[in-house]
Amino acid sequence: EAEVAQSPRYKITEKSQAVAFWCDPISGHATLYWYRQILGQGPELLVQFQDESVVDDSQLPKDRFSAERLKGVDSTLKIQPAELGDSAMYLCASSTAGRGMRNSPLHFGNGTRLTVT
Amino acid sequence: AQSVTQPDIHITVSEGASLELRCNYSYGATPYLFWYVQSPGQGLQLLLKYFSGDTLVQGIKGFEAEFKRSQSSFNLRKPSVHWSDAAEYFCAVGARNTDKLIFGTGTRLQVFP
Repeated sequence: EAEVAQSPRYKITEKSQAVAFWCDPISGHATLYWYRQILGQGPELLVQFQDESVVDDSQLPKDRFSAERLKGVDSTLKIQPAELGDSAMYLCASSTAGRGMRNSPLHFGNGTRLTVT
Repeated sequence: AQSVTQPDIHITVSEGASLELRCNYSYGATPYLFWYVQSPGQGLQLLLKYFSGDTLVQGIKGFEAEFKRSQSSFNLRKPSVHWSDAAEYFCAVGARNTDKLIFGTGTRLQVFP
């Protein structure tokens, strides 16, 4: 079964440094999501792309976080500068859905575990 | 606004025992409902989903869930738990006109031999 690929699996960085995560969705999936999962909590949506366009970034802390999906395929999430509170698992997911998820639930990658020291 | 409540943070069961994980949602209409499972250090895997129709839905790994509109619930069940079921379970709700999922805070399942 095709998978959502994420790298790196683990990242340790010092506060105030820049960090970037990469995601390659399942081939043909037009919708891509970045979720943040703080330890002990459920995932929270940061940003949603439809092809190369941002559909929802209302929960993205735009002063330090940025996300891009330039060619509508893979995506990069960046944090600059990182803060201690950014320590979390960052999950990427994809689906074929355009509007509504009835026929294509989300498929998640294994995530990037970020630790900020 | 949509929200999901999983009242049990941690549940411990013996292998072979039955399991029920609770999920309550808040949404103005009939939502899309999902259960995901997450093993340590892994991403989320879809167990089952409810969109409409039969309120008892079957999923993978022997899990099932029942949608009860009157109780705004979507509880997950399994008749006999295996040690490999130990993981974190997340209930999620999606609005019918968007692709956005709202997750609960999860229930950690521990299975004793």
